[in-house]
Amino acid sequence: GQNIDQPTEMTATEGAIVQINCTYQTSGFNGLFWYQQHAGEAPTFLSYNVLDGLEEKGRFSSFLSRSKGYSYLLLKELQMKDSASYLCAVLDSNYQLIWGAGTKLIIKP
Amino acid sequence: EAQVTQNPRYLITVTGKKLTVTCSQNMNHEYMSWYRQDPGLGLRQIYYSMNVEVTDKGDVPEGYKVSRKEKRNFPLILESPSPNQTSLYFCASSLIITRGTGGSTEAFFGQGTRLTVV
Repeated sequence: GQNIDQPTEMTATEGAIVQINCTYQTSGFNGLFWYQQHAGEAPTFLSYNVLDGLEEKGRFSSFLSRSKGYSYLLLKELQMKDSASYLCAVLDSNYQLIWGAGTKLIIKP
Repeated sequence: EAQVTQNPRYLITVTGKKLTVTCSQNMNHEYMSWYRQDPGLGLRQIYYSMNVEVTDKGDVPEGYKVSRKEKRNFPLILESPSPNQTSLYFCASSLIITRGTGGSTEAFFGQGTRLTVV
């Protein structure tokens, strides 16, 4: 079966750095997405990785290792508005998105 | 402004009363899909459509119907809603992702419909 694992919840302090991990086992791989979702709102696109390595976009970076079936989202200089759920999704061999259950990130002052 | 519009945002209905949740996108996307989101389960795909008149079942299609008569619209129909269909529903659209597409093509989501079936 296809599976994506993320921690259920994480807590971090304002101004700090946090790393949210995602491991996946899917039938094929055509890219990995990270989305941010505030409570009760729609997911919004953060990043896309299809090749190994780090993609940086402002305070957010995403890393991919295809051989390990592993990705992480790195958030720097945390702000209270970063409190949200972060969803990892993999595009499988049929070009269908397989979603993780999401990681709820709690930021404390 | 590029957007996906869902209606209604909130709906409380009774068991067995047919309902339709509308979804419309203005980006000329071929691919549209419906998800339900329940606590601890993440997004689960109900149905998707690769283009007009082309629809396919996702992971949890039972109890739902869809249609794609026009490219921009993809309504979700619950013919006889039951309490286990109480959930948060999202419509999403994107360009078709194929080997020839190259690059990423992100999915754009509607605002969500919180449905309660009593």
